[in-house]
Amino acid sequence: DAGITQSPRHKVTETGTPVTLRCHQTENHRYMYWYRQDPGHGLRLIHYSYGVKDTDKGEVSDGYSVSRSKTEDFLLTLESATSSQTSVYFCAISESRGSDEQFFGPGTRLTVL
Amino acid sequence: GESVGLHLPTLSVQEGDNSIINCAYSNSASDYFIWYKQESGKGPQFIIDIRSNMDKRQGQRVTVLLNKTVKHLSLQIAATQPGDSAVYFCAENITGGYNKLIFGAGTRLAVHP
Repeated sequence: DAGITQSPRHKVTETGTPVTLRCHQTENHRYMYWYRQDPGHGLRLIHYSYGVKDTDKGEVSDGYSVSRSKTEDFLLTLESATSSQTSVYFCAISESRGSDEQFFGPGTRLTVL
Repeated sequence: GESVGLHLPTLSVQEGDNSIINCAYSNSASDYFIWYKQESGKGPQFIIDIRSNMDKRQGQRVTVLLNKTVKHLSLQIAATQPGDSAVYFCAENITGGYNKLIFGAGTRLAVHP
């Protein structure tokens, strides 16, 4: 998985609780992305980062926030988890700003009860 | 593994046959396209990419065809093997942005011995 780890790999939590997912890369790539994957929807971009402390929203950003204090770490936070956020979350990285392949992590399965 | 393919179209082929997976993309301004393969319980893996100044690109056992007139992309897999069984996603991007890929919903390829 191109030097990308995600933690935790599985999490079950209750509605209303905060949750933080971590993505860690060892490739020193500048660009990092958080996606969610749901049946019938493919992957949808939540937030992305184009450098340390530089982040922006994707197409499904409501209810999520991100932070990037170091090149290697990109955190995704659900401030107050809802059942609609039950999903599989993938982190991805890419080297360049332009059109370029993205390398994906192994995913985190999150269940919100 | 993650249940991301519950409602996906499925292509069933016999081992050794050629497979063709199709994708219609949405934005006529897209100029970069990628095919990803996702096995159960894993993140998407890059297979092959193509830029809009080309209409065909070949890799090892795979060929991608691009028809910009009808906004259609296809992935051809030669001599399909059981290890090719997975969900395949196409993704599109517009050069100049922050490499924000837009993914299709995916197609499941089932290879039978």
